[in-house]
Amino acid sequence: QLQLLESGPVVVRPSETLSLTCTVSGGSITSNQHYWGWIRQAPGKGLDWIGNIFHGGSTYYNPSLGTRVRISVDTSKNEFSLRLTAVTVADSGVYFCARHWEIAKRRFYLDLWGQGALVTVSS
Amino acid sequence: TQMTQSPSSVSASVGDRVSITCRASHDVGGRLAWYQQKPGKAPSLLIYGASLLHLGVPSRFSGSGSGTDFTLTITGLQPEDFATYFCQQVNDFPPLTFGGGTKVEIK
Repeated sequence: QLQLLESGPVVVRPSETLSLTCTVSGGSITSNQHYWGWIRQAPGKGLDWIGNIFHGGSTYYNPSLGTRVRISVDTSKNEFSLRLTAVTVADSGVYFCARHWEIAKRRFYLDLWGQGALVTVSS
Repeated sequence: TQMTQSPSSVSASVGDRVSITCRASHDVGGRLAWYQQKPGKAPSLLIYGASLLHLGVPSRFSGSGSGTDFTLTITGLQPEDFATYFCQQVNDFPPLTFGGGTKVEIK
């Protein structure tokens, strides 16, 4: 049974870079039907889509994050990673990794999620 | 595309029928999903394509609608259904966008 697990620092200082990794187990990240991506949730708030990546490296990002976000993939380790630069307190929250099922070109449903990782931006 | 859910919360009893509405700011066709999130847990996919049940989802959940107006209905609310529900559009991408959520609480 395929599972996703987030890992990374719990606390990040303002203006620094948030880095998280999602390790995929029980299946391959090289599926041609899926992208892999990140969603975050501020405490008590809704869901904010960050971006996703195909195993071949093509990416889509939320325009609201501009050039601060980068997602990469390492197929040899069956994992993908998130980097978010110049963080502020507004970037605090739970970060989920999720499998993006591409039901049609550029149409994604999030059919499998990791448990989430709480990241706090604080000095 | 902005997604607006109503109500933001609803109180109901076990066995009740509950309906949650999601409105899109632009026509998204039938390209809409519903997710359930329990406290401290990740969301899970319930419905995709506005009305198609994801694998393993009980048949008491149903979805309807197209264009800009959608409804999630739970018929015969069970104790495990008390959670927060989110809609998500997949038509106008990027980004994927979600509604603000509807919390189903115990009356």
